[in-house]
Amino acid sequence: DSGVTQTPKHLITATGQRVTLRCSPRSGDLSVYWYQQSLDQGLQFLIQYYNGEERAKGNILERFSAQQFPDLHSELNLSSLELGDSALYFCASSASSFTDTQYFGPGTRLTVL
Amino acid sequence: GIQVEQSPPDLILQEGANSTLRCNFSDSVNNLQWFHQNPWGQLINLFYIPSGTKQNGRLSATTVATERYSLLYISSSQTTDSGVYFCAAPSAQKLVFGQGTRLTINP
Repeated sequence: DSGVTQTPKHLITATGQRVTLRCSPRSGDLSVYWYQQSLDQGLQFLIQYYNGEERAKGNILERFSAQQFPDLHSELNLSSLELGDSALYFCASSASSFTDTQYFGPGTRLTVL
Repeated sequence: GIQVEQSPPDLILQEGANSTLRCNFSDSVNNLQWFHQNPWGQLINLFYIPSGTKQNGRLSATTVATERYSLLYISSSQTTDSGVYFCAAPSAQKLVFGQGTRLTINP
């Protein structure tokens, strides 16, 4: 158990819908990262938050947004969903910097029908 | 940004065999992580190894930073070692993953 929790584990929804994925980091970690894993693209970094502030952005679509709350949990919002958004979404946390060891949550498997 | 390449892409072995997985990176790094993704999709940290050698049970890893590669050794493989092994290196404010090595251990 990495100490990072994610909910829900599975999500099935329809095209055009909006969903919210939730992540709680390990105790004491200030940075949260979101990754997308799809069959054709591998593991892709989406976005990083540090202590409530956005720190780095990767290949995140404009339809996607995230935030980190004062209690350090984070949410990833995916809107206007398309079939191609079906993927495994991971949250990871680290003490501070992206060069620190990152610990991954169990992931949320999103299926868009 | 940095390129991370892993080899081989697939490896099929019998239980009890030893294996070596390789990770090459295109630029110098100050951190390298190895992960195991089990058949249920969970990503498990194996090693944080910017340089040198570390061992954890039947697994060990060596990173030669000056030559830009890292090796993951698995000895006396068990069926529970099956899954995909990823290495990842930090670059431009993010962790860049290789494409993985899919390891299948047959009983």
